[in-house]
Amino acid sequence: SQQGEEDPQALSIQEGENATMNCSYKTSINNLQWYRQNSGRGLVHLILIRSNEREKHSGRLRVTLDTSKKSSSLLITASRAADTASYFCAKGLTGGGNKLTFGTGTQLKVEL
Amino acid sequence: NAGVTQTPKFQVLKTGQSMTLQCAQDMNHEYMSWYRQDPGMGLRLIHYSVGAGITDQGEVPNGYNVSRSTTEDFPLRLLSAAPSQTSVYFCASSSQRGAVLSGGEKLFFGSGTQLSVL
Repeated sequence: SQQGEEDPQALSIQEGENATMNCSYKTSINNLQWYRQNSGRGLVHLILIRSNEREKHSGRLRVTLDTSKKSSSLLITASRAADTASYFCAKGLTGGGNKLTFGTGTQLKVEL
Repeated sequence: NAGVTQTPKFQVLKTGQSMTLQCAQDMNHEYMSWYRQDPGMGLRLIHYSVGAGITDQGEVPNGYNVSRSTTEDFPLRLLSAAPSQTSVYFCASSSQRGAVLSGGEKLFFGSGTQLSVL
């Protein structure tokens, strides 16, 4: 069964705007990761946040984690057309080792 | 650096046929895994391995077999293909040792195999 959901399922914004995607989960996690998938390609790792961390930054990406609410968000600032892709959160469950449980993803479209 | 290599990229099978999807990584990763991706379902874990000679089932293992005779290779076998196995299959690997030390490691994905079963 899927560990939580991502929302929104689809998001369309203009270039230069910020994009925020949310991810919720149901059980205890060691870490939460975000991946990007361009159409027809494999997934590419973006950022990993551990359960004892609250916020991480990587370039134009900002990820937050609220373990009390069992939720995470990914913010992409100053979006570009090249950011158009599907974004997935993946949960590393406590005791699960390297196994990741993926959500259903958010399809982001950035228009010129 | 090749990373994770999957072959073939595309495959069409008839119901009942068997085939093996190949996956190889050159990063000396202990952990390897197979996912399938279906529209609206995200990625679901089929099988995984934490090292040579060790495999275990994921969320959707039925109809698939795996083995891990070397660190580099982790083939996925479909013994008798069914239309329900039409999907895109991804192999992914990561450092097991790194996960133990740091509480999580990123996965490196192959480019996928698009499989159609008629």
